[in-house]
This record gives sequence, structure tokens and C-alpha cells, in this order.
Amino acid sequence: GEDVEQSLFLSVREGDSSVINCTYTDSSSTYLYWYKQEPGAGLQLLTYIFSNMDMKQDQRLTVLLNKKDKHLSLRIADTQTGDSAIYFCAESRGILTGGGNKLTFGTGTQLKVEL
Amino acid sequence: NAGVTQTPKFQVLKTGQSMTLQCAQDMNHEYMSWYRQDPGMGLRLIHYSVGAGITDQGEVPNGYNVSRSTTEDFPLRLLSAAPSQTSVYFCASSDFPGGGTEAFFGQGTRLTVV
Repeated sequence: GEDVEQSLFLSVREGDSSVINCTYTDSSSTYLYWYKQEPGAGLQLLTYIFSNMDMKQDQRLTVLLNKKDKHLSLRIADTQTGDSAIYFCAESRGILTGGGNKLTFGTGTQLKVEL
Repeated sequence: NAGVTQTPKFQVLKTGQSMTLQCAQDMNHEYMSWYRQDPGMGLRLIHYSVGAGITDQGEVPNGYNVSRSTTEDFPLRLLSAAPSQTSVYFCASSDFPGGGTEAFFGQGTRLTVV
């Protein structure tokens, strides 16, 4: 079955760049997502990338996809204390599963931003 | 614009009790799903629905039932609560057929089974 893996923790200093990594096993993954979860809250979509793309940039966020290695990364430039949260990588096959937008999540990476 | 609303936010149950976690969305989304979140394990799919009257099992369905009588509501029932069901439960909805569309999540229900 599908498997999505992430490291559990990352600590950076305010102003530095953060890079959160994710690997997945399903070669049929069509969409790859990054979600952010702040303490006591639900998940919020940050960005997503279609599998035929290798990079997507959105303000301070850069997503890189290496489809050959099944590796996805999220770079946050100029990391701020407000970026402290858990970041989840997720994948879906989209409509090809026949089950709609079924997401498989990684374990989440706890990002801690220190002053 | 409420989005996805889950109730209750917190619940303590005794082993063997039953209860229903409520989920409602006002975005006319076809696809709804329930996840549980456990430390170090990310979110795991319990059940999902691709439209009213249609439900299917996810990765960890045992001990849970769902129904989808309307587009708006997708309740999750615990038939006989067990301590292993202590978790944070999230409901999500998105457009169907989906793919590249945002899944909107509720605020979560923190359930403790003693």
C-alpha cells in the first residue's frame, strides 16, 4: 500500500530557511500536498504540486518534487516564529483511485523556530 | 462561512460506551472523510464517503461505523469504545472527483476512553 515518511522534528533559527523532507512509495501518486497544523487546530492546506511538475513557488514557500526518487520537500524562506507547527506531507492518486480525493498522510514534522 | 464543523470538541468515555461524533459541512462537497491522529503516526483514514448514500472503509475502520444520509452530514459512530480509540479525530471534506483540490478540515474532536 501507500506509505509516506517524514522526519519527526526540525529546529531552525528565526530568519533561516527551513527544509522539510518527505518520501513516498506510491508511483501512482498524482497530487502531493503540504498541510500545516497549529496547536489545537485542524489541518490547513499550504500548497500542492501535480506530479508532472518539479517545482512550485508561492511567496516564502518552495516545493520541490523529485519523482524518480519519490522525494518531496518544502522550503520555507525567512522562517518566523509563527511558522512553528506540524507540517504534513500527503499524497493522493486523485480520481484514479475511484475513491475520490483520498489522502495518505505522513507522520508529520514538528517545526520549532527558535529566536 | 462555517466550513467543516465538528462536535463535540472534547469527550471522555468509559470503556464499552457508545457515542457519535458529528461532522457537518456547508460547502456542498461530495467527498467527506474521517481520520484519527495519533502521535508519531500522522493521520489515518477511518472511513470516507464520495456522496450521499455511499460510504467505504479506509485504513483503520474496525470499531467505527459511518452513514451519509445527506451531503452535509457525515457522523462517525463508536459502537463500544475501547482505550485504543483514544485519539484526536478529524473530519474533512473536499470537492469530488477531487485531485488537486483542497481538503478542508474540522477543528478536531479529542476523545479519551478510560
